[in-house]
Amino acid sequence: KAGVTQTPRYLIKTRGQQVTLSCSPISGHRSVSWYQQTPGQGLQFLFEYFSETQRNKGNFPGRFSGRQFSNSRSEMNVSTLELGDSALYLCASSLRPGTGPWGYTFGSGTRLTVV
Amino acid sequence: GDSVTQMEGPVTLSEEAFLTINCTYTATGYPSLFWYVQYPGEGLQLLLKATKADDKGSNKGFEATYRKETTSFHLEKGSVQVSDSAVYFCALRDEGGGADGLTFGKGTHLIIQP
Repeated sequence: KAGVTQTPRYLIKTRGQQVTLSCSPISGHRSVSWYQQTPGQGLQFLFEYFSETQRNKGNFPGRFSGRQFSNSRSEMNVSTLELGDSALYLCASSLRPGTGPWGYTFGSGTRLTVV
Repeated sequence: GDSVTQMEGPVTLSEEAFLTINCTYTATGYPSLFWYVQYPGEGLQLLLKATKADDKGSNKGFEATYRKETTSFHLEKGSVQVSDSAVYFCALRDEGGGADGLTFGKGTHLIIQP
């Protein structure tokens, strides 16, 4: 059974550009959530999608957005990149939102570097 | 808001030593509690979880008990191995607080020396 797939694994962008990251959840999982991991702030919740609808969003500016497709794959977009957006972006999938016996399975992440 | 506090380390132990990583939390609702582990260059792996007071989660020799009275979820292992070297994250999901995401601690870097 394939795990959570995030692409690309590494990305280098210039300040002011925009970037799109992709996450394919485990087959059958319909919920996808995104997290940002930095040395200073640790792991912070970005947003969660279920059935193509954003359920909740963390405390991030509007430059951070996402969407989910009918096949449950999700993308997140960051516009007008800043140096502080450099981070490991992790995607997690689950059968549906909430913590039941299914839990969350994380991908290996996309390492974004903004120069 | 919700928060999780854990020692950041690094914590350095010898192989076969006893491990304790402390974790305390604050939550407005009824949290489920988790320990995740992250190996270098990889994502997070769920190590164990507990969803209500007095529950004990266990996996691969690791244990943690949900203590509501002390708002704690300390991770323990009786005899660590070099392969346990990793970063360990304590996390909660507040089932009654309305937030859908996991709230994480800063992570504890564990180094096991042979």
